[in-house]
Amino acid sequence: EADIYQTPRYLVIGTGKKITLECSQTMGHDKMYWYQQDPGMELHLIHYSYGVNSTEKGDLSSESTVSRIRTEHFPLTLESARPSHTSQYLCASSDPNPGGGYTFGSGTRLTVV
Amino acid sequence: GENVEQHPSTLSVQEGDSAVIKCTYSDSASNYFPWYKQELGKRPQLIIDIRSNVGEKKDQRIAVTLNKTAKHFSLHITETQPEDSAVYFCAASPGGSNYKLTFGKGTLLTVNP
Repeated sequence: EADIYQTPRYLVIGTGKKITLECSQTMGHDKMYWYQQDPGMELHLIHYSYGVNSTEKGDLSSESTVSRIRTEHFPLTLESARPSHTSQYLCASSDPNPGGGYTFGSGTRLTVV
Repeated sequence: GENVEQHPSTLSVQEGDSAVIKCTYSDSASNYFPWYKQELGKRPQLIIDIRSNVGEKKDQRIAVTLNKTAKHFSLHITETQPEDSAVYFCAASPGGSNYKLTFGKGTLLTVNP
């Protein structure tokens, strides 16, 4: 079934560790996005990509980085995790037609201790 | 850039009552307005959307209205049920090949049985 997949679903990691959150989609979408969602609900755009080799920073400053080497894959990396990075991270992709809605992944809930 | 404001931030209704969530946007070029529902612990999912050439759209118990002159759009849920309890996000986007959605801050709807 065409969908967007995120792994891991939950991650608890120590301060200073390097982590990569995986996001893959099988819908053939060019556009992909990473959002950080805090307990107060609000969705903060941290990175987006319009296609292979395209990456842009979002509205919320983030110490994470992303890459887009393949259309279907958009991983997010934190070089040195800190407790302030504790949050839920949601990946999304959108229909190639302008004005198409987003499909979200199930998210990764990250806890840095 | 686009700015989307959403009200109220929390809404509590009795089962069977109607619920209305309102959003305003700032960019007159915006022409696509989706609504997402996020149940506790799950991903946001598109429930209904409207484009600027349409004033109202219905899908069973949910409807969305758009007033382009006033730059506001609303989600209406009739005959609410406990399973309607969730966080609802509105969003807006201009057209064009490199569009991205700007989300409101979310409304936590609680339907009391």
